[in-house]
Amino acid sequence: EAGVVQSPRYKIIEKKQPVAFWCNPISGHNTLYWYLQNLGQGPELLIRYENEEAVDDSQLPKDRFSAERLKGVDSTLKIQPAELGDSAVYLCASSLFGQGGGDTQYFGPGTRLTVL
Amino acid sequence: AQSVTQLDSQVPVFEEAPVELRCNYSSSVSVYLFWYVQYPNQGLQLLLKYLSGSTLVKGINGFEAEFNKSQTSFHLRKPSVHISDTAEYFCAVTPSNTGKLIFGQGTTLQVKP
Repeated sequence: EAGVVQSPRYKIIEKKQPVAFWCNPISGHNTLYWYLQNLGQGPELLIRYENEEAVDDSQLPKDRFSAERLKGVDSTLKIQPAELGDSAVYLCASSLFGQGGGDTQYFGPGTRLTVL
Repeated sequence: AQSVTQLDSQVPVFEEAPVELRCNYSSSVSVYLFWYVQYPNQGLQLLLKYLSGSTLVKGINGFEAEFNKSQTSFHLRKPSVHISDTAEYFCAVTPSNTGKLIFGQGTTLQVKP
């Protein structure tokens, strides 16, 4: 079965420019996650979707970050405007069910963002 | 709140030697525990997880981990490592009533020939 697909894999932009990342989860997975991974650190959750609903976005910097998951399948994460500190890897993950906590999360390869 | 501490940032080891990667966690509620591996330029892959039952959990690629509730630890072990095990390893917890993974900072396993 196909894994979690993310695009682009790499993105280089100038600061203050907008950028968007796309994620297609594993077919049939109801829950989708976006994580931020800074260099040398573990991933940190930005937002979690149960179908179309964002059930945990407490860590999403809403002044510049936005996300959507239309139709409860693929998702887009946007940054506008990007800042130098946004340079990181953005990981998408999906799981069959989010509730209960024990579900395995399957990760995509990530998008490496460099802001110049 | 929950937190995860991986006690070693880097672990160098020779091929075919045993290895232990240490993980401690802090939580006021019950948690599930996970170990993920990340190879260069790839996403994270689940090695193993503890939800309940036997405290010794066996995972993929010959890895195993033991949950110790009294010491709030979940150390990862492998009796004999290979060059291909060179990667970043992440310990993570999630409160048993949510799906939010909280990761440690990672341990780089460097397997030398």
